[in-house]
Parts: sequence; C-alpha cells; structure tokens
Amino acid sequence: ETGVTQSPTHLIKTRGQQVTLRCSSQSGHNTVSWYQQALGQGPQFIFQYYREEENGRGNFPPRFSGLQFPNYSSELNVNALELDDSALYLCASSVGTRRETQYFGPGTRLLVL
Amino acid sequence: AQSVTQLGSHVSVSEGALVLLRCNYSSSVPPYLFWYVQYPNQGLQLLLKYTSAATLVKGINGFEAEFKKSETSFHLTKPSAHMSDAAEYFCAVSDPGGNNDMRFGAGTRLTVKP
Repeated sequence: ETGVTQSPTHLIKTRGQQVTLRCSSQSGHNTVSWYQQALGQGPQFIFQYYREEENGRGNFPPRFSGLQFPNYSSELNVNALELDDSALYLCASSVGTRRETQYFGPGTRLLVL
Repeated sequence: AQSVTQLGSHVSVSEGALVLLRCNYSSSVPPYLFWYVQYPNQGLQLLLKYTSAATLVKGINGFEAEFKKSETSFHLTKPSAHMSDAAEYFCAVSDPGGNNDMRFGAGTRLTVKP
C-alpha cells in the first residue's frame, strides 16, 4: 500500500511568482485536504477536495486554488506569491470527507524570497 | 467555531519520566479531538483520536489521552518517556457535523533528556 506522497520536497520562489504543489493520495482514498504550516505554528486548513470538487475552505484568499484529478491526486496552486506564503504545505488523504481517517504526506517546504 | 489551546510551547522531561502535554478545547458542540506527532522534516502522524466513544483513548507508542468534558481538556500522557519521543506534538479539534474544518493548536515541542 502506497502512502501519501508530495512533490517537490523543497521549493524556492520569488515574490509575485506562481507555484504548483502536487499530492498523490493513499491507495483507496478519494479525498485530499491541504494545510499550510508556518514555522513554529500548527497546520491551518486551506481546503479539501472530494470527488474532484472543492468541499470546504479555510480562511485563505482566492489566489490559493486547487484541483483534484480522476485518480484522486491533487494540486495546490498559489498565485502572486507573498513572503508570508513561506511555509510547509501538507496534504492529507482520507476515505470520504471526515477527518478522522486522514493520513498526512511529508509536506513540501516552500520558501518565498 | 472550535479551537484548541496547548499549554506550554516547550516541555522537557528526563528519559523514563512521565510525559504530560496539555490541551484544552473550545467547541459549541461535542467535538472530535486528535493528537498528532511531527518528527523533524516530516508530516504529521496520528497518535490517537477521540470520537465520542470511550473517554480514555489509547494510541500508538504507549500514549494515551483522556477526554474530560467538565474541564474541556484532552491531555496527552505517557508513563515513561523514551528518547525517541522527542518531537513536536499537536492537538486538534473538529466538529463531527459541521463544516469539516479542523483546527490545530500551536504545538508543544517535547525534549527528552538522557
């Protein structure tokens, strides 16, 4: 059984650029949730995708957007990067939309200069 | 809206000593509560979860937590710390019937001294 994988592991961008982060869900999981974890803080919920549709969103601006593909993998896109977007981005997959069964990937560390 | 507060951003214990990490929650409805562990440069791993069944929840690696409604607490304990327990620990809360949001605390860094 393959766990949750994310790519890339590390990324450096400059302000104003755009970035795409990728997540492959665990085998058999149809839901992906994305979180932002700033340094020294707990993760913050960005949004969740279930059956290729957004299913809940946290307090993040529209320049944070996502996609889910038929194979349940997902992308997180961030436009017009700001310095405060520097963080560890975590995705978690689950069967169905409830959080009780979600499994986290190792994360992508994004640095915005 | 739900929230959790983790008391103490850093906790240091000696190897073999009791581990106690504190978490208090705020929720207008009966919550689901979770403890996660994060090792350096890794994602989060679920230690245990409370989903309205038994109030004393046993998790992996010898950890357990007790849901106390009267105290709005969900403290994490382990009788005897091991060096490998050194990590960041996060308490989280979700509303079982709500908007599917999950709120994490700021985390507690556990250091284990030899």
